[in-house]
Amino acid sequence: NAGVTQTPKFRVLKTGQSMTLLCAQDMNHEYMYWYRQDPGMGLRLIHYSVGEGTTAKGEVPDGYNVSRLKKQNFLLGLESAAPSQTSVYFCASSYGLGTEAFFGQGTRLTVV
Amino acid sequence: AQSVTQPDIHITVSEGASLELRCNYSYGATPYLFWYVQSPGQGLQLLLKYFSGDTLVQGIKGFEAEFKRSQSSFNLRKPSVHWSDAAEYFCAVSGYSTLTFGKGTMLLVSP
Repeated sequence: NAGVTQTPKFRVLKTGQSMTLLCAQDMNHEYMYWYRQDPGMGLRLIHYSVGEGTTAKGEVPDGYNVSRLKKQNFLLGLESAAPSQTSVYFCASSYGLGTEAFFGQGTRLTVV
Repeated sequence: AQSVTQPDIHITVSEGASLELRCNYSYGATPYLFWYVQSPGQGLQLLLKYFSGDTLVQGIKGFEAEFKRSQSSFNLRKPSVHWSDAAEYFCAVSGYSTLTFGKGTMLLVSP
Protein backbone atom coordinates (compact mmCIF):
# COMPACT_ATOMS: atom_id res chain seq x y z
CA ASN A 1 0.00 0.00 0.00
CA ALA A 2 2.61 2.52 -1.15
CA GLY A 3 0.49 5.63 -1.87
CA VAL A 4 2.87 8.47 -2.75
CA THR A 5 6.59 7.70 -2.75
CA GLN A 6 9.33 10.30 -3.02
CA THR A 7 12.92 9.58 -3.97
CA PRO A 8 15.39 10.44 -2.50
CA LYS A 9 14.55 11.25 1.12
CA PHE A 10 17.69 13.32 1.74
CA ARG A 11 20.18 15.02 -0.55
CA VAL A 12 23.02 17.50 -0.28
CA LEU A 13 23.97 19.43 -3.41
CA LYS A 14 26.67 21.91 -4.21
CA THR A 15 25.66 25.23 -5.72
CA GLY A 16 25.28 24.86 -9.47
CA GLN A 17 24.67 21.12 -9.46
CA SER A 18 21.54 19.62 -10.94
CA MET A 19 19.24 16.92 -9.68
CA THR A 20 15.84 15.35 -10.19
CA LEU A 21 13.34 14.46 -7.49
CA LEU A 22 11.00 11.62 -8.32
CA CYS A 23 7.43 11.27 -7.16
CA ALA A 24 5.47 8.10 -7.83
CA GLN A 25 1.84 7.38 -6.95
CA ASP A 26 -0.03 4.10 -7.31
CA MET A 27 -3.58 5.43 -6.83
CA ASN A 28 -4.31 6.33 -10.46
CA HIS A 29 -4.63 9.99 -9.52
CA GLU A 30 -4.93 12.63 -12.21
CA TYR A 31 -3.59 15.58 -10.25
CA MET A 32 -0.07 15.81 -8.88
CA TYR A 33 1.67 18.64 -7.07
CA TRP A 34 5.12 19.68 -5.92
CA TYR A 35 5.39 21.92 -2.85
CA ARG A 36 8.27 23.30 -0.88
CA GLN A 37 8.04 23.82 2.86
CA ASP A 38 10.11 26.43 4.64
CA PRO A 39 9.84 27.51 8.30
CA GLY A 40 7.07 30.03 8.78
CA MET A 41 6.04 29.89 5.11
CA GLY A 42 3.73 26.90 5.07
CA LEU A 43 3.62 24.87 1.86
CA ARG A 44 4.10 26.81 -1.34
CA LEU A 45 3.14 25.32 -4.68
CA ILE A 46 5.99 25.02 -7.18
CA HIS A 47 4.37 23.24 -10.12
CA TYR A 48 1.40 21.00 -10.64
CA SER A 49 -0.14 18.69 -13.21
CA VAL A 50 -3.78 17.94 -13.96
CA GLY A 51 -3.06 14.89 -16.07
CA GLU A 52 -0.45 12.94 -18.00
CA GLY A 53 1.52 15.20 -20.32
CA THR A 54 0.37 18.44 -18.64
CA THR A 55 2.20 20.78 -16.29
CA ALA A 56 1.52 24.25 -14.93
CA LYS A 57 3.30 26.81 -12.80
CA GLY A 58 2.41 27.37 -9.20
CA GLU A 59 3.31 30.14 -6.80
CA VAL A 60 7.11 29.72 -6.80
CA PRO A 61 8.18 28.05 -10.09
CA ASP A 62 11.46 29.88 -10.77
CA GLY A 63 14.52 27.63 -10.83
CA TYR A 64 12.48 24.44 -11.20
CA ASN A 65 11.18 22.36 -14.07
CA VAL A 66 8.79 19.43 -14.08
CA SER A 67 7.65 16.63 -16.33
CA ARG A 68 4.70 14.23 -16.28
CA LEU A 69 5.45 11.73 -19.03
CA LYS A 70 3.63 8.93 -17.22
CA LYS A 71 0.47 9.33 -15.20
CA GLN A 72 1.99 7.78 -12.08
CA ASN A 73 5.20 9.84 -12.05
CA PHE A 74 5.88 13.54 -11.54
CA LEU A 75 9.49 14.67 -11.73
CA LEU A 76 10.87 17.88 -10.27
CA GLY A 77 14.18 19.13 -11.67
CA LEU A 78 16.67 21.66 -10.42
CA GLU A 79 18.95 22.62 -13.30
CA SER A 80 21.40 24.76 -11.31
CA ALA A 81 20.85 24.50 -7.58
CA ALA A 82 21.08 27.58 -5.37
CA PRO A 83 21.24 27.86 -1.56
CA SER A 84 17.77 29.47 -1.66
CA GLN A 85 16.44 26.12 -2.82
CA THR A 86 17.38 24.49 0.47
CA SER A 87 14.02 23.23 1.68
CA VAL A 88 11.82 20.23 2.31
CA TYR A 89 9.99 19.20 -0.84
CA PHE A 90 6.65 17.43 -0.77
CA CYS A 91 4.85 15.71 -3.56
CA ALA A 92 1.10 15.14 -3.42
CA SER A 93 -1.56 13.60 -5.63
CA SER A 94 -5.35 13.65 -5.83
CA TYR A 95 -8.18 12.35 -8.03
CA GLY A 96 -9.14 15.84 -9.06
CA LEU A 97 -10.11 19.30 -8.01
CA GLY A 98 -11.57 19.43 -4.54
CA THR A 99 -10.60 15.92 -3.56
CA GLU A 100 -8.26 14.82 -0.81
CA ALA A 101 -4.57 15.16 -1.56
CA PHE A 102 -2.23 12.40 -0.41
CA PHE A 103 1.30 13.39 0.49
CA GLY A 104 4.67 11.74 0.29
CA GLN A 105 7.07 11.74 3.22
CA GLY A 106 9.15 14.58 1.84
CA THR A 107 12.67 15.14 0.52
CA ARG A 108 15.05 17.22 2.60
CA LEU A 109 17.37 19.06 0.21
CA THR A 110 20.35 21.10 1.31
CA VAL A 111 22.28 23.23 -1.17
CA VAL A 112 25.72 24.33 0.04
CA ALA B 1 -6.79 34.03 -6.67
CA GLN B 2 -7.43 31.86 -3.66
CA SER B 3 -5.68 32.27 -0.33
CA VAL B 4 -5.73 31.01 3.24
CA THR B 5 -4.87 32.89 6.42
CA GLN B 6 -4.07 31.21 9.70
CA PRO B 7 -3.69 34.11 12.14
CA ASP B 8 -1.99 32.15 14.92
CA ILE B 9 1.58 30.97 14.38
CA HIS B 10 1.77 29.18 17.74
CA ILE B 11 -0.87 28.13 20.25
CA THR B 12 -0.27 26.51 23.63
CA VAL B 13 -3.08 24.54 25.22
CA SER B 14 -3.15 22.57 28.45
CA GLU B 15 -3.81 18.88 28.12
CA GLY B 16 -7.53 18.23 28.52
CA ALA B 17 -8.50 21.78 27.57
CA SER B 18 -10.47 22.66 24.46
CA LEU B 19 -8.85 23.85 21.25
CA GLU B 20 -9.83 26.15 18.42
CA LEU B 21 -7.53 26.90 15.49
CA ARG B 22 -8.58 29.71 13.19
CA CYS B 23 -8.64 29.67 9.43
CA ASN B 24 -9.92 32.31 7.01
CA TYR B 25 -10.05 31.76 3.28
CA SER B 26 -10.50 33.82 0.15
CA TYR B 27 -12.11 32.22 -2.89
CA GLY B 28 -14.65 33.41 -5.40
CA ALA B 29 -17.04 30.48 -5.28
CA THR B 30 -18.07 27.74 -2.88
CA PRO B 31 -14.77 26.42 -1.59
CA TYR B 32 -13.47 22.99 -0.91
CA LEU B 33 -11.76 23.26 2.47
CA PHE B 34 -9.39 20.98 4.30
CA TRP B 35 -7.46 20.66 7.54
CA TYR B 36 -4.22 18.70 7.55
CA VAL B 37 -1.89 17.80 10.41
CA GLN B 38 1.87 17.34 10.22
CA SER B 39 3.91 15.64 12.93
CA PRO B 40 7.65 16.43 13.05
CA GLY B 41 9.55 14.92 10.15
CA GLN B 42 6.40 13.52 8.58
CA GLY B 43 4.18 14.24 5.63
CA LEU B 44 0.71 15.72 5.91
CA GLN B 45 -2.34 13.75 7.00
CA LEU B 46 -5.90 14.79 6.28
CA LEU B 47 -7.99 15.51 9.38
CA LEU B 48 -11.23 16.53 7.71
CA LYS B 49 -12.73 18.19 4.65
CA TYR B 50 -15.71 20.31 3.66
CA PHE B 51 -17.26 20.14 0.22
CA SER B 52 -20.91 21.09 0.69
CA GLY B 53 -23.93 20.40 2.87
CA ASP B 54 -23.70 20.29 6.63
CA THR B 55 -21.47 23.13 7.80
CA LEU B 56 -20.17 21.18 10.80
CA VAL B 57 -17.86 18.39 9.68
CA GLN B 58 -16.37 15.63 11.74
CA GLY B 59 -12.89 14.30 11.23
CA ILE B 60 -10.44 11.83 12.62
CA LYS B 61 -8.91 11.92 16.10
CA GLY B 62 -11.95 13.72 17.55
CA PHE B 63 -11.54 16.91 15.51
CA GLU B 64 -14.35 18.91 13.97
CA ALA B 65 -14.57 22.09 11.93
CA GLU B 66 -17.32 24.55 11.15
CA PHE B 67 -17.71 26.31 7.81
CA LYS B 68 -19.09 29.84 8.10
CA ARG B 69 -19.62 31.41 4.71
CA SER B 70 -20.50 34.82 6.15
CA GLN B 71 -17.15 34.99 7.93
CA SER B 72 -15.12 33.13 5.28
CA SER B 73 -13.90 30.90 8.07
CA PHE B 74 -13.28 27.22 8.66
CA ASN B 75 -12.11 26.88 12.25
CA LEU B 76 -10.87 23.60 13.67
CA ARG B 77 -11.97 22.49 17.12
CA LYS B 78 -11.40 19.72 19.59
CA PRO B 79 -13.15 19.46 22.98
CA SER B 80 -10.24 17.92 24.89
CA VAL B 81 -6.65 18.03 23.70
CA HIS B 82 -4.25 15.12 24.22
CA TRP B 83 -0.47 15.41 24.37
CA SER B 84 -0.28 13.45 21.11
CA ASP B 85 -2.11 16.29 19.33
CA ALA B 86 1.02 18.44 19.47
CA ALA B 87 1.86 19.06 15.81
CA GLU B 88 1.54 21.65 13.08
CA TYR B 89 -1.89 22.18 11.56
CA PHE B 90 -2.56 23.48 8.08
CA CYS B 91 -5.78 24.78 6.60
CA ALA B 92 -6.13 24.53 2.82
CA VAL B 93 -8.53 25.60 0.07
CA SER B 94 -8.97 23.83 -3.25
CA GLY B 95 -9.99 25.67 -6.38
CA TYR B 96 -8.77 26.89 -9.78
CA SER B 97 -6.95 23.53 -10.22
CA THR B 98 -4.68 24.01 -7.23
CA LEU B 99 -4.56 23.32 -3.50
CA THR B 100 -3.44 26.34 -1.49
CA PHE B 101 -2.24 26.12 2.11
CA GLY B 102 -2.05 28.55 4.97
CA LYS B 103 1.23 29.07 6.79
CA GLY B 104 0.28 26.72 9.56
CA THR B 105 -0.34 26.86 13.30
CA MET B 106 1.99 25.03 15.65
CA LEU B 107 0.12 23.48 18.55
CA LEU B 108 1.99 22.98 21.80
CA VAL B 109 0.38 20.94 24.57
CA SER B 110 1.38 21.63 28.16
CA PRO B 111 0.98 19.10 30.98
